[in-house]
Amino acid sequence: EDQVTQSPEALRLQEGESSSLNCSYTVSGLRGLFWYRQDPGKGPEFLFTLYSAGEEKEKERLKATLTKKESFLHITAPKPEDSATYLCAVRGPGGSYIPTFGRGTSLIVHP
Amino acid sequence: EAGVTQSPTHLIKTRGQQATLRCSPISGHTSVYWYQQALGLGLQFLLWYDEGEERNRGNFPPRFSGRQFPNYSSELNVNALELEDSALYLCASTPLLRETVAKNIQYFGAGTRLSVL
Repeated sequence: EDQVTQSPEALRLQEGESSSLNCSYTVSGLRGLFWYRQDPGKGPEFLFTLYSAGEEKEKERLKATLTKKESFLHITAPKPEDSATYLCAVRGPGGSYIPTFGRGTSLIVHP
Repeated sequence: EAGVTQSPTHLIKTRGQQATLRCSPISGHTSVYWYQQALGLGLQFLLWYDEGEERNRGNFPPRFSGRQFPNYSSELNVNALELEDSALYLCASTPLLRETVAKNIQYFGAGTRLSVL
């Protein structure tokens, strides 16, 4: 059974204070690791897909990296508008195409 | 291009009633996924429809059911509502199944907040 564990559950940063969110996963044959951003009361917004260890993706102040066991979402010089819950999901092999989601990391960036 | 749309935004029901939630996928998308997001929990997979057929079902009781229409829109029905059914219900869509093998990026709607009193 695929498993995804995100840490920390909550993170408070000052504006400009860089940090990283962790996503540890267990899957027999990764077919994709996904990062989403979710604002309160809204649906998740797709950020990145990573497929193989060593792969990196960047978007503005966010950078996602992938190893064989975990992924990191690095946030450089965050701004208050980066405050949101960040979700990680993985999809394994097989025909179900259903990703397994972690519980997310709630990020608050104070001005 | 319009994104995934869900209706209603909010739904208030009493225990034992039935709820119907609706989802319109992105134009050109044929797969629709339903998730339940209860407070403090991650997204729990409910149902997956593709090309009008139910392809997979999560670990939920049979009172959670749905269907997909010829225009690929979808309904989620929850019968005999219980207090613990209160949650945000999210719908996501993806393009043709064979095109998602590599990407499998799900695009989500804003959700329907179901409150069971």
